[in-house]
Amino acid sequence: KAGVTQTPRYLIKTRGQQVTLSCSPISGHRSVSWYQQTPGQGLQFLFEYFSETQRNKGNFPGRFSGRQFSNSRSEMNVSTLELGDSALYLCASSLELAGLEQYFGPGTRLTVT
Amino acid sequence: AQRVTQPEKLLSVFKGAPVELKCNYSYSGSPELFWYVQYSRQRLQLLLRHISRESIKGFTADLNKGETSFHLKKPFAQEEDSAMYYCALSVITGANNLFFGTGTRLTVIP
Repeated sequence: KAGVTQTPRYLIKTRGQQVTLSCSPISGHRSVSWYQQTPGQGLQFLFEYFSETQRNKGNFPGRFSGRQFSNSRSEMNVSTLELGDSALYLCASSLELAGLEQYFGPGTRLTVT
Repeated sequence: AQRVTQPEKLLSVFKGAPVELKCNYSYSGSPELFWYVQYSRQRLQLLLRHISRESIKGFTADLNKGETSFHLKKPFAQEEDSAMYYCALSVITGANNLFFGTGTRLTVIP
């Protein structure tokens, strides 16, 4: 079974731009969660989607948004990029809404200059 | 508010020595605790969770509600145990949102 895939793997953007990251969950997984990882703050929960609905959201500004499609693939968008948005963005998928075990993707490394 | 604390950023032990990675949490409800591990150049992956009460790769972790701790232990460290270890807390609200500690980098010295 293929694992969680994330595209692109690396991205360089300029402050003020917007960016869209993509995540394809493991086949059959319906829950997709997003996390931001930075050296200073560590791993922080962004939001989770299940059946195309956002079920939970972390403590991030409205510039961070996401969506999930009917095939469970998910995208996250960051608008008006700031230097502090430079991070590794991880996506994780799970079978159920509260499946407890999450399978992580390799991440997208976003650099904002 | 939920919080997970891993007091040691770095931990070095000799091969064959016991290892304990500390994790303390704060949460007013009934927590679900996990240990995730990230080996070099690999993805973050689940090592074990307290509800299964199992031993994975020789590691065990016991949830101590009185001390609000979930320390990870292994009696005899191996070189292949060198990795980054994250303790995580799940709030049972019907959503998959993990609260992670800052992680401990374990190095097993040959």
